[in-house]
Order: sequence, then C-alpha cells, then structure tokens
Amino acid sequence: DAGVIQSPRHEVTEMGQEVTLRCKPISGHDYLFWYRQTMMRGLELLIYFNNNVPIDDSGMPEDRFSAKMPNASFSTLKIQPSEPRDSAVYFCASSFGGRSNEQFFGPGTRLTVL
Amino acid sequence: LAKTTQPISMDSYEGQEVNITCSHNNIATNDYITWYQQFPSQGPRFIIQGYKTKVTNEVASLFIPADRKSSTLSLPRVSLSDTAVYYCLVGDINAGGTSYGKLTFGQGTILTVHP
Repeated sequence: DAGVIQSPRHEVTEMGQEVTLRCKPISGHDYLFWYRQTMMRGLELLIYFNNNVPIDDSGMPEDRFSAKMPNASFSTLKIQPSEPRDSAVYFCASSFGGRSNEQFFGPGTRLTVL
Repeated sequence: LAKTTQPISMDSYEGQEVNITCSHNNIATNDYITWYQQFPSQGPRFIIQGYKTKVTNEVASLFIPADRKSSTLSLPRVSLSDTAVYYCLVGDINAGGTSYGKLTFGQGTILTVHP
C-alpha cells in the first residue's frame, strides 16, 4: 500500500479564497483523522471519522472549516474563506479500529494564506 | 483526557542509549500509553504502545511502573537518524471508547543526537 496520500503537498492562497485539502486513507482502514500543526499550538486534532461518519468535530476551529468523507477512500477538508491564521501543516491520518492507537499519517499539506 | 509532561529537549551521542520519561499522573484505567516520533516535514510515526510493565519491539522499549503514572521510552544505541521529536500520549485504545482517537499531542521532546 502507498500509505496515506494527501494533496496538494503545498498550497499558497490569498485571504478570502476557498481551500480544499484532500486525503486518501490506507485501504481497509475505517478511521480517518484530520490534524493541524503549527509552532504555536502544536499538533491538534480537528475531526475524525469512523466508517465515513464524522464522530467528533469538536476540534474544528470555526464554521469556516468543514470536512467530508463521501466514501471510504476519500476525504476533504475545506476552509472557506481562508485567513492568514489558517496557515499551518494539515495532516490526514488513518487507522484500523481495534485495540490500538496506531495511526498512519500522511505527508501533510503545507498551507500558506497570504 | 490525561495530560502528559515530558522534557522539552534532550541531547545524546551516537551509540548511546536514550531514555525519555513522560509523566501522566491522571491516567485513566482504560488508557494505554503510546509514543510517536516525528521528523521535520513529516507526519508523526507510531513507535510503541503499552499498558503496564515492559514492551519491546524492533525499535524501542517502553517501561511502565505499576502505578502507571509515568513511562519511559528507551532507544538503544541511537544514531544521527534518531534526531526527531518524540511524543508521549495516553488514550483509550478501544474503538468506540469515549476517548478513542482523541490523541492529544503535547509539545514533545526534541531529541538531538550528536556525532
């Protein structure tokens, strides 16, 4: 398996624009997680899905952020409108639910909002 | 969710054994202890997980005392490539558990291995 795939790897946009980050989890994994990492706040869990259903979105910072998982092999995190303070590295991770906290992280998307 | 405390940074030299200790005084009965490693510009990578006593895999060992209020990650004979940030986390590993998936990453320990 190729691991968790994220696209784009880098995104530079201007304030006010819509940004869509994409993630393909590892095949067979039933949990998918979106994280955000900044120097100031570290690595934060934004939302996670189980079997394509959002389970906990308490980490989503504002209504400007939304996430979807239309099927088991694809998820998106959308920011509309984007703001400079959204600049961060966004990671997607997946896991196979069971007796483990072993999550497999993707390479991340580095987002810069000007 | 249980809070963890670990040193901000550590230095070591190639070939030495490195022990990173993490405290988690309010760990819950269902919580397991998990360690991740993160290299610059990469996502975190799972290293090891345990509940009590000792766990060993091909990469590291995890020592957990009986009271489970702390844990120690041991890296044998480190090399330059072990320079990374190491995170200690506690959480319920049972899918469906109330805290499952809620991995709370602290600031981690920056390990620097010198030649």
